[in-house]
Amino acid sequence: QKEVEQDPGPLSVPEGAIVSLNCTYSNSAFQYFMWYRQYSRKGPELLMYTYSSGNKEDGRFTAQVDKSSKYISLFIRDSQPSDSATYLCAMSRGNTGNQFYFGTGTSLTVIP
Amino acid sequence: GAGVSQSPSNKVTEKGKDVELRCDPISGHTALYWYRQRLGQGLEFLIYFQGNSAPDKSGLPSDRFSAERTGESVSTLTIQRTQQEDSAVYLCASSLAVYNEQFFGPGTRLTVL
Repeated sequence: QKEVEQDPGPLSVPEGAIVSLNCTYSNSAFQYFMWYRQYSRKGPELLMYTYSSGNKEDGRFTAQVDKSSKYISLFIRDSQPSDSATYLCAMSRGNTGNQFYFGTGTSLTVIP
Repeated sequence: GAGVSQSPSNKVTEKGKDVELRCDPISGHTALYWYRQRLGQGLEFLIYFQGNSAPDKSGLPSDRFSAERTGESVSTLTIQRTQQEDSAVYLCASSLAVYNEQFFGPGTRLTVL
């Protein structure tokens, strides 16, 4: 079983829609959770960084972590064509673990 | 300020040749990571450097892969006797310290013919 599972999509939505992206994980020791956005032929850029369970909001983006279900989500409100990219979730144990474990990424296209 | 830079941006090589990829992290970042991203797949951790500590090499797929870092600056990833399955984008990231957010470079796209 992979450490992190993410539906690769592709996901296609009309402009203005609410987008929900999700990851599940198997290691209950993960404490740090991240979402990255990666445009084609570019390196990933950090969107959201959260510690432990709960919600975090930043503009049109909301990250949710449910440690009891080992499930994290990223919501994008009022989606824009510029949001078209691949979204990667990542997580880390944080204490003695230096590794960050990444999902395979979900490809999103927002249609004008 | 300057972000993480990587060179070359693209590298085409023949099977069996050695290649060297370079990463210049953000100044002051003590942690440096190398990842491999195969087409349609997620990021695969390769190696991690933190200050003067021994690097975490647990992700290196074989002894053909090695990496070095000079202090808290430049890092090079070397792949010896390249194979076609080594074809991928190699990404470097740096962070201020462990658990801090990682800043990624644009990657080196390696193609082994």
